Amino acid sequence: QKEVEQDPGPLSVPEGAIVSLNCTYSNSAFQYFMWYRQYSRKGPELLMYTYSSGNKEDGRFTAQVDKSSKYISLFIRDSQPSDSATYLCAMSEKTSGSRLTFGEGTQLTVNP
Amino acid sequence: GAVVSQHPSWVICKSGTSVKIECRSLDFQATTMFWYRQFPKQSLMLMATSNEGSKATYEQGVEKDKFLINHASLTLSTLTVTSAHPEDSSFYICSARGGHQYEQYFGPGTRLTVT
Repeated sequence: QKEVEQDPGPLSVPEGAIVSLNCTYSNSAFQYFMWYRQYSRKGPELLMYTYSSGNKEDGRFTAQVDKSSKYISLFIRDSQPSDSATYLCAMSEKTSGSRLTFGEGTQLTVNP
Repeated sequence: GAVVSQHPSWVICKSGTSVKIECRSLDFQATTMFWYRQFPKQSLMLMATSNEGSKATYEQGVEKDKFLINHASLTLSTLTVTSAHPEDSSFYICSARGGHQYEQYFGPGTRLTVT
């Protein structure tokens, strides 16, 4: 079983839709949670990062962490065609120097 | 802030030659840098972790004599692919993290094609 599970999609939505992306994990030592966006042939771009359970909002993006359920989500409101990309969840343990464990990535297409 | 650059963005080399890829943190000091490899439609595969001034730690299955990593300063790490072969063709991405950060910031990646 993978430490981090993420539905690879592909996910296709119309412009303006609310998008929900999710990851589950099995390692209870994960403390830090990140969402990256990766366009084709580009490096991943950090969108959101959180430490504790709860919600964090940044513009059209909301990250949600539920440590009790080992479940994290990224919501995108008013989705735009420019949001079309692969979204990767990533997490790490608290120890300094800890590596990131990535989900497989969800490929999202927002249709105009 | 938190900008990481990579050079070159794309390189083609002949089989048997060596290629060096540079990774720079432009606006912060990167105490730790990571090198990843990514195949099409797959997630990132960590190759090695390097701390400034120390030898890199390689992941299982990654040949350290083939993929030489140097992290000589707090803003620069290099990956040298020695005696490259066509199967080394891939997308190589570096990331960097500052001393008290847990998030990593990625470079734009380098596409290596070995002919």
